[in-house]
Amino acid sequence: AQSVTQLDSQVPVFEEAPVELRCNYSSSVSVYLFWYVQYPNQGLQLLLKYLSGSTLVKSINGFEAEFNKSQTSFHLRKPSVHISDTAEYFCAVSLNTDKLIFGTGTRLQVFP
Amino acid sequence: NAGVTQTPKFQVLKTGQSMTLQCAQDMNHNSMYWYRQDPGMGLRLIYYSASEGTTDKGEVPNGYNVSRLNKREFSLRLESAAPSQTSVYFCASSGGQGPQETQYFGPGTRLLVL
Repeated sequence: AQSVTQLDSQVPVFEEAPVELRCNYSSSVSVYLFWYVQYPNQGLQLLLKYLSGSTLVKSINGFEAEFNKSQTSFHLRKPSVHISDTAEYFCAVSLNTDKLIFGTGTRLQVFP
Repeated sequence: NAGVTQTPKFQVLKTGQSMTLQCAQDMNHNSMYWYRQDPGMGLRLIYYSASEGTTDKGEVPNGYNVSRLNKREFSLRLESAAPSQTSVYFCASSGGQGPQETQYFGPGTRLLVL
């Protein structure tokens, strides 16, 4: 069965520091990979996704994630976080259907 | 363009009561989804509809029923609510053109079952 593992349930970090949120998946076939963000009391929204091609994908607000097939990972990084990045981040995969499999989420808390 | 809307935003039920959560999208999407979100468990798919008139069970369908009323609307019904159904419920939609599509989420319904 396919699964998604987010190793850290909470990541505290100071403003302007770099951050990495880890995501690993298990699948024997090709997957599509997504990061969704959930701001407090809101629904989820897409942050970025990997479909094919370049293994490094970027969002408009400075986040990036790199698909590593050998490590079956899709870690999310940002070189300098802002208070407004405080949110919960979900990694997700889809295989050959429209259904997503979500990880358990990582709560990023940015402190001033 | 409102995207995905859900009603109600909050609801408190007593064990055994029934209710229907409403969801509508105005993006002409084919696929619609119902998830529940519980602390430490991420989002789990309850039911899924690939098109009007079709529904499929997800990971945790027990205790729920769904209805795809038309292309815009996808409702979730709890026939006899239980405390284990206390959760935040999210509706989502996507174009339905394949696994690469982005899902768009509503703001959620927070349900407490006493």
